[in-house]
Amino acid sequence: GENVEQHPSTLSVQEGDSAVIKCTYSDSASNYFPWYKQELGKGPQLIIDIRSNVGEKKDQRIAVTLNKTAKHFSLHITETQPEDSAVYFCAASRNSGYALNFGKGTSLLVTP
Amino acid sequence: GAVVSQHPSWVICKSGTSVKIECRSLDFQATTMFWYRQFPKQSLMLMATSNEGSKATYEQGVEKDKFLINHASLTLSTLTVTSAHPEDSSFYICSAGGLSLEQFFGPGTRLTVL
Repeated sequence: GENVEQHPSTLSVQEGDSAVIKCTYSDSASNYFPWYKQELGKGPQLIIDIRSNVGEKKDQRIAVTLNKTAKHFSLHITETQPEDSAVYFCAASRNSGYALNFGKGTSLLVTP
Repeated sequence: GAVVSQHPSWVICKSGTSVKIECRSLDFQATTMFWYRQFPKQSLMLMATSNEGSKATYEQGVEKDKFLINHASLTLSTLTVTSAHPEDSSFYICSAGGLSLEQFFGPGTRLTVL
């Protein structure tokens, strides 16, 4: 089955700096790669996703890159703010109707 | 994004009782719903996948007789934890997916079994 690895497990940055979280996956049939933000006591919130026919996608301060050959994808957050502090999960799946395979999460702390 | 609700948001019950958790997709038809559980500071662990009108598919190690899943309509799935015990205490989260690839998560249900 699919195995998704995520690094780092914790990340602390100063407000205004950039944060990068990296994930690798094992199943070459995976073609959908979402990123979720989870705040304490809440469900995960989809923040950005990328599909296998795209190499990069950006939405304001958030961007995701995908390298299908190397089977890795990354989340980039620029100009970080304290409200970006949360746990971020990467995931991979095949097609609609397939469950997401999650990484173990990255706890991001943005200090003022 | 689409909205998925869960009810209740938290529940405390006595050991041996059963608890039902509802998951609703409010503004789209969910052909597939997923149930996850999450322990503190850990990732989400898939419990089962359910398609409307079909029996749920359970992940290895998840007891189907203990965690009953019903997906009666395209907007509602329920998870019933039968004869709950303290080790069942966890954060239960559902997600819903339509015909596209996106999955949207509910806010979660905190179950505490005394």
